[in-house]
Amino acid sequence: AQSVTQLGSHVSVSEGALVLLRCNYSSSVPPYLFWYVQYPNQGLQLLLKYTTGATLVKGINGFEAEFKKSETSFHLTKPSAHMSDAAEYFCAVSENSWGKLQFGAGTQVVVTP
Amino acid sequence: DADVTQTPRNRITKTGKRIMLECSQTKGHDRMYWYRQDPGLGLRLIYYSFDVKDINKGEISDGYSVSRQAQAKFSLSLESAIPNQTALYFCAIQGENTGELFFGEGSRLTVL
Repeated sequence: AQSVTQLGSHVSVSEGALVLLRCNYSSSVPPYLFWYVQYPNQGLQLLLKYTTGATLVKGINGFEAEFKKSETSFHLTKPSAHMSDAAEYFCAVSENSWGKLQFGAGTQVVVTP
Repeated sequence: DADVTQTPRNRITKTGKRIMLECSQTKGHDRMYWYRQDPGLGLRLIYYSFDVKDINKGEISDGYSVSRQAQAKFSLSLESAIPNQTALYFCAIQGENTGELFFGEGSRLTVL
Protein backbone atom coordinates (compact mmCIF):
# COMPACT_ATOMS: atom_id res chain seq x y z
CA ALA A 1 0.00 0.00 0.00
CA GLN A 2 1.12 3.52 -0.69
CA SER A 3 0.58 6.69 1.32
CA VAL A 4 1.62 10.33 1.36
CA THR A 5 2.21 12.69 4.26
CA GLN A 6 2.47 16.42 3.75
CA LEU A 7 3.91 18.25 6.73
CA GLY A 8 2.04 21.44 7.46
CA SER A 9 -1.48 22.14 6.29
CA HIS A 10 -0.74 25.88 6.04
CA VAL A 11 2.49 27.66 5.16
CA SER A 12 2.99 31.42 5.14
CA VAL A 13 5.93 32.90 3.25
CA SER A 14 7.02 36.42 2.46
CA GLU A 15 7.24 37.53 -1.13
CA GLY A 16 10.77 36.81 -2.32
CA ALA A 17 11.47 34.20 0.34
CA LEU A 18 12.12 30.49 -0.15
CA VAL A 19 9.12 28.22 -0.51
CA LEU A 20 9.61 24.74 0.97
CA LEU A 21 6.77 22.23 1.05
CA ARG A 22 7.47 18.84 2.57
CA CYS A 23 6.23 15.50 1.29
CA ASN A 24 7.08 12.02 2.57
CA TYR A 25 5.74 8.86 1.01
CA SER A 26 5.58 5.16 1.59
CA SER A 27 5.57 2.69 -1.25
CA SER A 28 6.46 -0.96 -1.58
CA VAL A 29 7.92 -0.40 -5.04
CA PRO A 30 9.91 2.43 -6.67
CA PRO A 31 7.40 5.25 -6.73
CA TYR A 32 6.14 7.68 -9.30
CA LEU A 33 5.83 11.04 -7.52
CA PHE A 34 3.87 14.14 -8.42
CA TRP A 35 3.24 17.67 -7.21
CA TYR A 36 0.01 19.38 -8.21
CA VAL A 37 -1.18 22.94 -7.62
CA GLN A 38 -4.76 24.10 -7.18
CA TYR A 39 -5.63 27.76 -7.60
CA PRO A 40 -8.95 29.01 -6.17
CA ASN A 41 -12.01 27.66 -7.97
CA GLN A 42 -9.92 25.59 -10.35
CA GLY A 43 -8.96 22.00 -10.84
CA LEU A 44 -5.52 20.61 -10.11
CA GLN A 45 -2.69 21.08 -12.55
CA LEU A 46 0.63 19.30 -12.64
CA LEU A 47 3.69 21.18 -11.39
CA LEU A 48 6.23 18.40 -11.86
CA LYS A 49 6.72 14.66 -11.66
CA TYR A 50 9.41 12.11 -10.93
CA THR A 51 9.33 8.75 -12.68
CA THR A 52 12.88 7.49 -13.16
CA GLY A 53 16.29 9.00 -13.82
CA ALA A 54 17.48 12.33 -12.47
CA THR A 55 16.39 12.84 -8.90
CA LEU A 56 16.16 16.63 -9.16
CA VAL A 57 13.09 17.48 -11.15
CA LYS A 58 12.26 20.91 -12.50
CA GLY A 59 8.69 21.99 -13.09
CA ILE A 60 6.66 24.95 -14.15
CA ASN A 61 6.70 28.39 -12.55
CA GLY A 62 10.21 27.97 -11.11
CA PHE A 63 9.39 25.02 -8.84
CA GLU A 64 11.61 22.01 -8.39
CA ALA A 65 11.62 18.89 -6.24
CA GLU A 66 14.22 16.33 -5.27
CA PHE A 67 13.53 12.63 -4.88
CA LYS A 68 15.48 11.22 -1.93
CA LYS A 69 14.99 7.50 -1.70
CA SER A 70 16.85 7.12 1.60
CA GLU A 71 14.56 9.68 3.23
CA THR A 72 11.41 8.64 1.29
CA SER A 73 10.90 12.31 0.56
CA PHE A 74 9.95 14.50 -2.39
CA HIS A 75 10.05 18.06 -1.07
CA LEU A 76 9.00 20.96 -3.29
CA THR A 77 10.97 24.20 -3.39
CA LYS A 78 11.00 27.57 -5.10
CA PRO A 79 13.82 30.02 -4.39
CA SER A 80 11.71 33.19 -4.44
CA ALA A 81 7.98 33.29 -3.77
CA HIS A 82 5.64 35.40 -5.87
CA MET A 83 2.18 36.55 -4.88
CA SER A 84 0.83 34.37 -7.68
CA ASP A 85 2.15 31.26 -5.87
CA ALA A 86 -0.66 31.50 -3.32
CA ALA A 87 -2.56 28.24 -3.81
CA GLU A 88 -2.97 24.75 -2.41
CA TYR A 89 -0.32 22.20 -3.23
CA PHE A 90 -0.76 18.44 -3.28
CA CYS A 91 1.84 15.69 -3.32
CA ALA A 92 0.83 12.35 -4.84
CA VAL A 93 2.36 8.89 -5.27
CA SER A 94 1.69 6.04 -7.66
CA GLU A 95 3.28 2.62 -7.97
CA ASN A 96 3.56 2.77 -11.75
CA SER A 97 2.72 4.78 -14.86
CA TRP A 98 -0.78 3.39 -15.23
CA GLY A 99 -2.07 3.07 -11.68
CA LYS A 100 -4.15 5.25 -9.43
CA LEU A 101 -2.61 8.15 -7.53
CA GLN A 102 -2.71 8.51 -3.75
CA PHE A 103 -2.81 12.14 -2.67
CA GLY A 104 -1.62 13.90 0.46
CA ALA A 105 -3.89 16.18 2.47
CA GLY A 106 -2.53 19.31 0.82
CA THR A 107 -0.64 22.41 1.97
CA GLN A 108 -2.19 25.85 1.64
CA VAL A 109 0.42 28.48 0.79
CA VAL A 110 -0.14 32.12 1.69
CA VAL A 111 2.27 34.73 0.32
CA THR A 112 2.57 38.00 2.24
CA PRO A 113 3.93 41.24 0.78
CA ASP B 1 -12.09 23.43 -25.36
CA ALA B 2 -11.10 21.88 -22.06
CA ASP B 3 -9.71 18.35 -22.10
CA VAL B 4 -12.00 17.34 -19.23
CA THR B 5 -15.44 18.88 -18.78
CA GLN B 6 -17.60 18.42 -15.72
CA THR B 7 -21.27 19.28 -15.37
CA PRO B 8 -22.81 20.76 -13.35
CA ARG B 9 -20.17 23.03 -11.83
CA ASN B 10 -22.35 23.78 -8.83
CA ARG B 11 -25.37 22.00 -7.44
CA ILE B 12 -27.45 22.36 -4.31
CA THR B 13 -29.80 19.54 -3.48
CA LYS B 14 -31.73 18.06 -0.60
CA THR B 15 -31.18 14.92 1.43
CA GLY B 16 -32.55 11.84 -0.30
CA LYS B 17 -32.39 13.19 -3.84
CA ARG B 18 -30.63 11.37 -6.65
CA ILE B 19 -27.79 13.32 -8.21
CA MET B 20 -25.66 12.65 -11.26
CA LEU B 21 -22.37 14.38 -12.00
CA GLU B 22 -21.15 14.05 -15.54
CA CYS B 23 -17.66 14.01 -16.98
CA SER B 24 -16.55 14.00 -20.58
CA GLN B 25 -13.10 14.13 -22.17
CA THR B 26 -11.69 14.97 -25.56
CA LYS B 27 -8.28 13.27 -25.26
CA GLY B 28 -9.32 9.70 -26.01
CA HIS B 29 -7.66 8.31 -22.87
CA ASP B 30 -8.89 5.02 -21.46
CA ARG B 31 -8.39 5.71 -17.77
CA MET B 32 -10.84 7.93 -15.93
CA TYR B 33 -11.22 8.71 -12.23
CA TRP B 34 -13.61 10.33 -9.78
CA TYR B 35 -12.11 11.97 -6.69
CA ARG B 36 -13.70 13.80 -3.81
CA GLN B 37 -11.98 16.77 -2.14
CA ASP B 38 -12.67 17.80 1.45
CA PRO B 39 -10.73 20.44 3.42
CA GLY B 40 -7.83 18.86 5.29
CA LEU B 41 -8.33 15.46 3.67
CA GLY B 42 -6.91 16.05 0.22
CA LEU B 43 -8.37 14.05 -2.65
CA ARG B 44 -9.86 10.64 -2.03
CA LEU B 45 -10.61 8.17 -4.79
CA ILE B 46 -14.24 7.17 -5.24
CA TYR B 47 -14.22 5.06 -8.44
CA TYR B 48 -11.99 4.54 -11.43
CA SER B 49 -12.27 2.95 -14.83
CA PHE B 50 -9.49 1.61 -17.04
CA ASP B 51 -11.76 1.12 -20.03
CA VAL B 52 -15.46 0.95 -20.88
CA LYS B 53 -15.85 -2.56 -19.45
CA ASP B 54 -13.67 -2.04 -16.40
CA ILE B 55 -15.03 -0.30 -13.28
CA ASN B 56 -13.26 -0.37 -9.92
CA LYS B 57 -14.08 0.86 -6.45
CA GLY B 58 -11.79 3.33 -4.77
CA GLU B 59 -11.29 3.94 -1.08
CA ILE B 60 -14.64 5.68 -0.46
CA SER B 61 -17.16 4.14 -2.88
CA ASP B 62 -20.01 3.58 -0.41
CA GLY B 63 -23.04 5.69 -1.33
CA TYR B 64 -21.80 6.27 -4.89
CA SER B 65 -22.13 4.50 -8.22
CA VAL B 66 -20.64 5.16 -11.65
CA SER B 67 -21.37 4.51 -15.28
CA ARG B 68 -18.89 4.49 -18.15
CA GLN B 69 -21.22 5.16 -21.05
CA ALA B 70 -18.45 5.49 -23.62
CA GLN B 71 -14.71 5.96 -23.67
CA ALA B 72 -15.24 9.69 -23.36
CA LYS B 73 -17.93 9.71 -20.67
CA PHE B 74 -17.81 8.72 -17.01
CA SER B 75 -20.68 9.66 -14.70
CA LEU B 76 -20.89 9.62 -10.93
CA SER B 77 -24.24 9.11 -9.20
CA LEU B 78 -25.41 9.59 -5.65
CA GLU B 79 -28.53 7.44 -5.36
CA SER B 80 -29.77 9.10 -2.18
CA ALA B 81 -27.70 12.12 -1.25
CA ILE B 82 -26.81 12.83 2.37
CA PRO B 83 -25.26 15.96 3.92
CA ASN B 84 -21.82 14.40 4.47
CA GLN B 85 -21.54 14.00 0.71
CA THR B 86 -21.24 17.77 0.47
CA ALA B 87 -17.86 18.21 -1.19
CA LEU B 88 -15.97 19.22 -4.31
CA TYR B 89 -15.86 16.40 -6.84
CA PHE B 90 -13.21 16.04 -9.51
CA CYS B 91 -13.09 13.93 -12.61
CA ALA B 92 -9.66 13.15 -14.04
CA ILE B 93 -8.18 11.32 -16.99
CA GLN B 94 -4.80 9.64 -17.02
CA GLY B 95 -2.18 10.14 -19.68
CA GLU B 96 -1.06 7.07 -21.56
CA ASN B 97 2.12 5.67 -20.00
CA THR B 98 2.87 8.86 -18.07
CA GLY B 99 0.82 8.38 -14.93
CA GLU B 100 -0.12 12.03 -14.98
CA LEU B 101 -3.71 12.97 -14.20
CA PHE B 102 -5.54 15.76 -16.01
CA PHE B 103 -8.37 17.23 -13.98
CA GLY B 104 -11.66 18.87 -14.74
CA GLU B 105 -12.56 22.09 -12.96
CA GLY B 106 -14.68 20.34 -10.38
CA SER B 107 -18.33 20.03 -9.39
CA ARG B 108 -19.26 21.58 -6.08
CA LEU B 109 -22.14 19.67 -4.49
CA THR B 110 -24.05 20.85 -1.45
CA VAL B 111 -26.56 18.51 0.19
CA LEU B 112 -28.94 20.20 2.61
